[in-house]
Amino acid sequence: DAKTTQPPSMDCAEGRAANLPCNHSTISGNEYVYWYRQIHSQGPQYIIHGLKNNETNEMASLIITEDRKSSTLILPHATLRDTAVYYCIVFMNRDDKIIFGKGTRLHILP
Amino acid sequence: DVKVTQSSRYLVKRTGEKVFLECVQDMDHENMFWYRQDPGLGLRLIYFSYDVKMKEKGDIPEGYSVSREKKERFSLILESASTNQTSMYLCASSRPGQGRYEQYFGPGTRLTVT
Repeated sequence: DAKTTQPPSMDCAEGRAANLPCNHSTISGNEYVYWYRQIHSQGPQYIIHGLKNNETNEMASLIITEDRKSSTLILPHATLRDTAVYYCIVFMNRDDKIIFGKGTRLHILP
Repeated sequence: DVKVTQSSRYLVKRTGEKVFLECVQDMDHENMFWYRQDPGLGLRLIYFSYDVKMKEKGDIPEGYSVSREKKERFSLILESASTNQTSMYLCASSRPGQGRYEQYFGPGTRLTVT
């Protein structure tokens, strides 16, 4: 079973920041938080990952709470191309088996 | 540019047929995976392989088998296709031990069993 809980769907206006929450209350100390997304008719694509500190790359920012029980993926200026299903996943890097949950379907509204 | 390719985007087979889904990666990755994706159920792991000739069952292996004779190729086999195997099948590969762990996915094969 997936170790994360995400809302099934969210809406965001184009140009605004999209904030996607994820709960992972049973995360262990050596488990990372990873985010993938899947655009329609494509395979999932890596976005970002983190352990304790907040992370930022060219695609998004990842904010992890101090207790590590939840995190938020931030797309700073959402575009229509960001419409996708977003998956939050926790696992240890040594464990190569990823368990995808059902994710959050993000709709970007023009 | 990294690449995972799957033999077909769309496939239609009849009940009882033997079906082969092929996946090839050009990144010299050790690990390869087969998932199926169904509406409301997300991605579910069928089989995976950490090396040539090695295979491990995932969460839903029943009705499937796999073959990994070469490092770059991982085949999913439906010995006798059934209608409940109609689904989107996704292949992925990865290299273990990276600081950033990433699975690279193919475009998927949409299989319809009639």
